[in-house]
Amino acid sequence: GAVVSQHPSWVICKSGTSVKIECRSLDFQATTMFWYRQFPKQSLMLMATSNEGSKATYEQGVEKDKFLINHASLTLSTLTVTSAHPEDSSFYICSARDSGEGGYEQYFGPGTRLTVT
Amino acid sequence: AQSVTQPDIHITVSEGASLELRCNYSYGATPYLFWYVQSPGQGLQLLLKYFSGDTLVQGIKGFEAEFKRSQSSFNLRKPSVHWSDAAEYFCAVAPHSGAGSYQLTFGKGTKLSVIP
Repeated sequence: GAVVSQHPSWVICKSGTSVKIECRSLDFQATTMFWYRQFPKQSLMLMATSNEGSKATYEQGVEKDKFLINHASLTLSTLTVTSAHPEDSSFYICSARDSGEGGYEQYFGPGTRLTVT
Repeated sequence: AQSVTQPDIHITVSEGASLELRCNYSYGATPYLFWYVQSPGQGLQLLLKYFSGDTLVQGIKGFEAEFKRSQSSFNLRKPSVHWSDAAEYFCAVAPHSGAGSYQLTFGKGTKLSVIP
């Protein structure tokens, strides 16, 4: 089955530093990947849609300069949280859509727990 | 704008009992419908999906869901719950086409606890 990995699975960083989270589709190509943020005991909120070879599309209210997304290849998208602050602490989940499948199914990564101290 | 409502925040059932998790959606047309399960600290796993055709959809782990257009509902059911089913369940919708295609909108989730 389609597998999506995320790295790291958890990270602790100091306020003001930047953190990069990787999302990889391991056995399929993904022209479209999505980044979500999940607060404790809440639903997933779509942050941005990442398209291979083009700029990401950010949802309203998401700071594009703070959450940098790069989708440089068909199997890798990265989310960089710049100048992190404690309020950026959250669970970040990516998903990928199988380009060859043509369907609407998104395959989700296991998530990355970010804690900013 | 489309929205998804899961009325039950937390449900507790005994192992072996039947389960129904409710999901209602608001959308101009029939969207694509999904149920996902999330175990603590984990990503989401697709249980089942509805695109078209038979309104009763079978999924993994013994789950099924029924699409009822008249009620704008897509409730998830399982005849006999196992302790390992304890998790958070999310209903989600996606538009067929146009702006926002492929983008999922999630409900707030229902936490399922199972009593041994």
